[in-house]
Amino acid sequence: GAVVSQHPSWVICKSGTSVKIECRSLDFQATTMFWYRQFPKQSLMLMATSNEGSKATYEQGVEKDKFLINHASLTLSTLTVTSAHPEDSSFYICSSRKPRRGNEQFFGPGTRLTVL
Amino acid sequence: AQSVTQLDSHVSVSEGTPVLLRCNYSSSYSPSLFWYVQHPNKGLQLLLKYTSAATLVKGINGFEAEFKKSETSFHLTKPSAHMSDAAEYFCVVSPYNNNDMRFGAGTRLTVKP
Repeated sequence: GAVVSQHPSWVICKSGTSVKIECRSLDFQATTMFWYRQFPKQSLMLMATSNEGSKATYEQGVEKDKFLINHASLTLSTLTVTSAHPEDSSFYICSSRKPRRGNEQFFGPGTRLTVL
Repeated sequence: AQSVTQLDSHVSVSEGTPVLLRCNYSSSYSPSLFWYVQHPNKGLQLLLKYTSAATLVKGINGFEAEFKKSETSFHLTKPSAHMSDAAEYFCVVSPYNNNDMRFGAGTRLTVKP
């Protein structure tokens, strides 16, 4: 199977600071990557679809100025949580869609963000 | 539009007994269906997927699922539960060749010794 990594695996930051989370597809080039958010004991909610070389597509209710997504290369997408607040504390999971594998997505291990 | 309903938020079984996790889907198109497993504080691992081939799909770790169009169901089963199966399980629906994956609410499986 394909390998997707995330960095960092966990981060604690102060309220008002910005945090960047990286998502890398290690063994294939991903033109499309996805960012999900998961609250404790809840399901994954799609935040945005990240396309290489173009602007991300955000789901309804997700603030694009709050959650900045950059997909600068075929193997890297970043999510920056700007001016983080305690309510942004969550588990953030990325995934990559492998070309010619239909719509199967390969998920990263997730990043636990805690905002104090 | 598509959606999934996982009928049980929590299932508890004894080790060695069968596992049944229920999932019903709704889709305007021919769907692809997936089951993922998530262990605590970990990412998602694909157990199996249905993409319009055989209706009985075999996955990893002894799990399998049967696509039943007439019942719009895709239930996950395993003949004999192992302690290591304790985790959260997500049923996911997606139109074929489409980015849009919709997750069910999840079912937490507990395995008792």
